[in-house]
Amino acid sequence: EDQVTQSPEALRLQEGESSSLNCSYTVSGLRGLFWYRQDPGKGPEFLFTLYSAGEEKEKERLKATLTKKESFLHITAPKPEDSATYLCAVQGIQGAQKLVFGQGTRLTINP
Amino acid sequence: DTAVSQTPKYLVTQMGNDKSIKCEQNLGHDTMYWYKQDSKKFLKIMFSYNNKELIINETVPNRFSPKSPDKAHLNLHINSLELGDSAVYFCASSPGFGEMNTEAFFGQGTRLTVV
Repeated sequence: EDQVTQSPEALRLQEGESSSLNCSYTVSGLRGLFWYRQDPGKGPEFLFTLYSAGEEKEKERLKATLTKKESFLHITAPKPEDSATYLCAVQGIQGAQKLVFGQGTRLTINP
Repeated sequence: DTAVSQTPKYLVTQMGNDKSIKCEQNLGHDTMYWYKQDSKKFLKIMFSYNNKELIINETVPNRFSPKSPDKAHLNLHINSLELGDSAVYFCASSPGFGEMNTEAFFGQGTRLTVV
């Protein structure tokens, strides 16, 4: 069964303090690994898809990387508006396109 | 223009009632989903439809019945509501099988509270 574990569960940073969020996964053949951002009371907002080990994608202060066992979401010089829950999900080649999500990392950036 | 829209946003109802949640997407996607987010914020798939055909049914009680009248709409009907059904329900859509990009886009959620 496909599984995703995210760490830490919660992370509090000062504005400008860079850090990384971890997503460890087990899947029987990876179709894609997805990062989403979720603000309170809203639906998950798509950020990135990574398809193969070694792939990297960037968007503003966020950079996602992928290995065969885990993905990292690096946040550089974060701002308070980056505060949100970040969700990682995998899609296996046998999963009929369903996403299996981790429990998320709740990120708080203090001004 | 909202890509994936759900109604209602909030739903408070008594145990034993029957209720429906509606979802529409204007992205031209072939695949639509229902996900449930529990109190611990875990998102878990319930159903998936591809071109109006049910392709995923993840051991959901048969009190939950999805219906897809066309590929832009996927509704969720729940019979005999129980306290444990309280959660946030998200509709999502993605391009169909065989497409290069398979990322799902989510609606804003329906917070269901059963009292």
